[in-house]
Amino acid sequence: AQTVTQSQPEMSVQEAETVTLSCTYDTSESDYYLFWYKQPPSRQMILVIRQEAYKQQNATENRFSVNFQKAAKSFSLKISDSQLGDAAMYFCAYRSAGTGNQFYFGTGTSLTVIP
Amino acid sequence: DAGVIQSPRHEVTEMGQEVTLRCKPISGHDYLFWYRQTMMRGLELLIYFNNNVPIDDSGMPEDRFSAKMPNASFSTLKIQPSEPRDSAVYFCASRKNRVDEQFFGPGTRLTVL
Repeated sequence: AQTVTQSQPEMSVQEAETVTLSCTYDTSESDYYLFWYKQPPSRQMILVIRQEAYKQQNATENRFSVNFQKAAKSFSLKISDSQLGDAAMYFCAYRSAGTGNQFYFGTGTSLTVIP
Repeated sequence: DAGVIQSPRHEVTEMGQEVTLRCKPISGHDYLFWYRQTMMRGLELLIYFNNNVPIDDSGMPEDRFSAKMPNASFSTLKIQPSEPRDSAVYFCASRKNRVDEQFFGPGTRLTVL
């Protein structure tokens, strides 16, 4: 089974600064999807950004961007100009593009934004 | 669209009681997923349906857990009898097709005393 590892249980960032959350994964597949989800205290799981493995270009959504290194099986999330509302748990997730429908989630990184 | 709807948002029950969690997926979505989130185990997939048919229930922890999807707009997850270790947040999620993104409901926080 695929595994997703988030090695940073907790991170903090000053408001308006930039922070990078790490994620690595293990797979033997060549085609898959990677996601970052945000879970604020409300518990709602919110999709932040998505990356297709066949795309070399890194995905970007406003202040959120990823650094996708396929060979290294690394998928980090960069949050620029951090805002108080960015404080949340962030989960990295993997899903096969083939027959599998299951998401494999990392254990999460708790992000604190310091005013 | 209202998004994925789950009820109740909070449930407190006593050990041994039956618990039923409900989910209404986004209209037009073919896939429905039930997840459980705990501090110890993180997010785990319990079961998922495609066109109302259960496809993979290998994540269902025990026979005490059962899930149904009688139609495209409604699913239930039932625990009978409930135990304290079932306390968790249970999420329902839906997806339109194989390649689309997955949308989560707000979750049900279950506490079994």
